[in-house]
Amino acid sequence: GENVEQHPSTLSVQEGDSAVIKCTYSDSASNYFPWYKQELGKRPQLIIDIRSNVGEKKDQRIAVTLNKTAKHFSLHITETQPEDSAVYFCAVFLLGANNLFFGTGTRLTVIP
Amino acid sequence: DVKVTQSSRYLVKRTGEKVFLECVQDMDHENMFWYRQDPGLGLRLIYFSYDVKMKEKGDIPEGYSVSREKKERFSLILESASTNQTSMYLCASSLYSGGNGELFFGEGSRLTVL
Repeated sequence: GENVEQHPSTLSVQEGDSAVIKCTYSDSASNYFPWYKQELGKRPQLIIDIRSNVGEKKDQRIAVTLNKTAKHFSLHITETQPEDSAVYFCAVFLLGANNLFFGTGTRLTVIP
Repeated sequence: DVKVTQSSRYLVKRTGEKVFLECVQDMDHENMFWYRQDPGLGLRLIYFSYDVKMKEKGDIPEGYSVSREKKERFSLILESASTNQTSMYLCASSLYSGGNGELFFGEGSRLTVL
């Protein structure tokens, strides 16, 4: 399988600051890297994803960067707002296994 | 909007009972998944199905089985529930095989086994 490590496990930031969550993976054959957001008591929802042929992708205040050589990718949230408070999961799709492997999650708290 | 509906939000069962968790999706997706979510462990794949009557084991299939008799419905079965199966269970569906694209999750079923 794939070994996905996600850091930090908890993160607190002041409203308006930036937040960065990082994931590392082990298999260079992995080719799809989504991020899911799960608000308290709600279902996980895809917020952004990136494929291995792209180095960076942005969508308004969120961005994902991918470093294939170092086998890590990061979620960047700028100008954080209280509604960004949630648990964020990274995931890695390994083509050979035809399977998606999730990280252990990061609980982000944005302090007003 | 894709809708994935799980039949029970909260269940309490006793050790040894048979448990059925049902999931229905309305977007004609071929691929459906059952995940287990535990604090500090993330989401772990139990089983997935890429077609009616087809199933594949995920990372933690022991103690579970599944049934996919119709395209829109994917059921998770615990033949004899044990306390270590107390968890949140999430169903998902996708256009993409294996999760190589957006997964649409249900609201989850929180199972407590006493």
